[in-house]
Amino acid sequence: DTAVSQTPKYLVTQMGNDKSIKCEQNLGHDTMYWYKQDSKKFLKIMFSYNNKELIINETVPNRFSPKSPDKAHLNLHINSLELGDSAVYFCASSLPGQGYEQYFGPGTRLTVT
Amino acid sequence: QQQVKQSPQSLIVQKGGISIINCAYENTAFDYFPWYQQFPGKGPALLIAIRPDVSEKKEGRFTISFNKSAKQFSLHIMDSQPGDSATYFCAASPGTYKYIFGTGTRLKVLA
Repeated sequence: DTAVSQTPKYLVTQMGNDKSIKCEQNLGHDTMYWYKQDSKKFLKIMFSYNNKELIINETVPNRFSPKSPDKAHLNLHINSLELGDSAVYFCASSLPGQGYEQYFGPGTRLTVT
Repeated sequence: QQQVKQSPQSLIVQKGGISIINCAYENTAFDYFPWYQQFPGKGPALLIAIRPDVSEKKEGRFTISFNKSAKQFSLHIMDSQPGDSATYFCAASPGTYKYIFGTGTRLKVLA
């Protein structure tokens, strides 16, 4: 069974479009995250959610809107896509608090043309 | 400073050798330091982690050395194997729900 799954795996779209990435975890974790990994492999946290509530928003443009319908799901909607949004987006989950292992999903490679 | 500086950017090691990756931080509020391993096309996976009250932690061939006064920590991979070839990230947590990742080290172990 996949612990953290993301769909789609690949997403190719044009500038200005709106797209969504879905994430689901079956680990029973309360905390979920979105990360962006750029072409240089730099991994940066975007959002942290705990028990469906936004905890961390790392100065991400408001074109990015996460939504957590329940504790097992954290989706990412992106409006008005820009070339600079091209990256691999990873969802992760963990137990709440500090010092717990984060389990990452397989990533969604977003290409904006 | 919310940064974690990682070096080297890339590393080539012969099979059976020791791989060493170093990280440094500024923020003394960081108190949890994990290392993640990432294979191409996959998400990062936790390898080993340490808290600053411990100077060293070993799990199999992987060891973290931690120097709190110097604000540095390093990953040592003993008896490196071709299957260890991956990108390694150090990270630090300045508090709940937040992790700062280093820039990554691409390790290649030659057979």
